Amino acid sequence: RKEVEQDPGPFNVPEGATVAFNCTYSNSASQSFFWYRQDCRKEPKLLMSVYSSGNEDGRFTAQLNRASQYISLLIRDSKLSDSATYLCAVGGGSNYKLTFGKGTLLTVNP
Amino acid sequence: EAGVAQSPRYKIIEKRQSVAFWCNPISGHATLYWYQQILGQGPKLLIQFQNNGVVDDSQLPKDRFSAERLKGVDSTLKIQPAKLEDSAVYLCASSLDSSGRERFFGPGTRLTVL
Repeated sequence: RKEVEQDPGPFNVPEGATVAFNCTYSNSASQSFFWYRQDCRKEPKLLMSVYSSGNEDGRFTAQLNRASQYISLLIRDSKLSDSATYLCAVGGGSNYKLTFGKGTLLTVNP
Repeated sequence: EAGVAQSPRYKIIEKRQSVAFWCNPISGHATLYWYQQILGQGPKLLIQFQNNGVVDDSQLPKDRFSAERLKGVDSTLKIQPAKLEDSAVYLCASSLDSSGRERFFGPGTRLTVL
């Protein structure tokens, strides 16, 4: 089993749609969880940290399920500008080594 | 606040040649990371520095890759000799410390090995 696995995608959705991405991780001792956004030919940028209680930032909601070892990202009311690759990242160990998933490509269509 | 700086932005070399990449992290960031991102994959950690010391280089192909951060600020990553499979984007990132805080990525160096 890979350390971090994401929905393979790609996702093509119309503007205004709600879309959800899932990411599973294999190490139950993982301590930190993130969603990064990467635009085409750009560097990854932090979208959200994921907390045990779940957290929301505008149209974006992140959830963590430690028992099932997965994190999720929900995007409501999708905008054209949400088109990007979404990377989940899981950290752990003494140096909080961050392991990234392959990423899921989202295209929001007009 | 200035971001992470990297150079060059693009590099094309032939296999068996050598190449070096440079990174200047955000001022005051103690931890510096080099990641390799192959097309269609997520970034993979090659090496992590805490100040000028290496804390994780378990995924660095040490027969051909080397990295240093001599003064605890900027860093260089070298590949010698390059192979076709080294074609990737090499991303440098920094964080205040290694305690799980946000990594800030530079724009990357896109390497093509012919």
